[in-house]
Amino acid sequence: AQRVTQPEKLLSVFKGAPVELKCNYSYSGSPELFWYVQYSRQRLQLLLRHISRESIKGFTADLNKGETSFHLKKPFAQEEDSAMYYCALNPTGGYNKLIFGAGTRLAVHP
Amino acid sequence: NAGVMQNPRHLVRRRGQEARLRCSPMKGHSHVYWYRQLPEEGLKFMVYLQKENIIDESGMPKERFSAEFPKEGPSILRIQQVVRGDSAAYFCASSPPLLADTQYFGPGTRLTVL
Repeated sequence: AQRVTQPEKLLSVFKGAPVELKCNYSYSGSPELFWYVQYSRQRLQLLLRHISRESIKGFTADLNKGETSFHLKKPFAQEEDSAMYYCALNPTGGYNKLIFGAGTRLAVHP
Repeated sequence: NAGVMQNPRHLVRRRGQEARLRCSPMKGHSHVYWYRQLPEEGLKFMVYLQKENIIDESGMPKERFSAEFPKEGPSILRIQQVVRGDSAAYFCASSPPLLADTQYFGPGTRLTVL
């Protein structure tokens, strides 16, 4: 079955600390993986995708096919990073029929 | 570009009534997706539409739910004879025709069934 698992509902860190939001997926083919973010009172928006291998707002994510993981990392968290983060899988290729994880709330304290 | 618009933002219905949720995609976008989010869960894909066509409705419940995206006007997600289990946040996303892998989300409609 195609599934995305985010094991942590809440991740609480202090400003300046490293952050890693975990994402594991279950999919038999070649996955397309994404991270979406939802800041307070804002709509869901794309943060990054594994294909582009880019760094957005200091966040990076590496696809590890052996561990079927796509963890999101940032070396030094900022208070403005506090948000809800969703990992998502596109199993179809082409159009985006996304499968989302349950999300992890990141709280960065001063 | 105003972004994806959804209305109403909040909708309250009694059991047995009909709920109509509207989604206006971004200008120039001809692909629309609907997702449902139950409390404490991630978004679940419901249906993917292009103008006047349903492309993939594999996530739609077999009964009471329908969706359309007419040539003119917004996409409509319609839920007939609502039940308490339909209470959820419903999100719409749109994408342009040549960048179908890039979705832009609306603010969502929160449906509460009493």
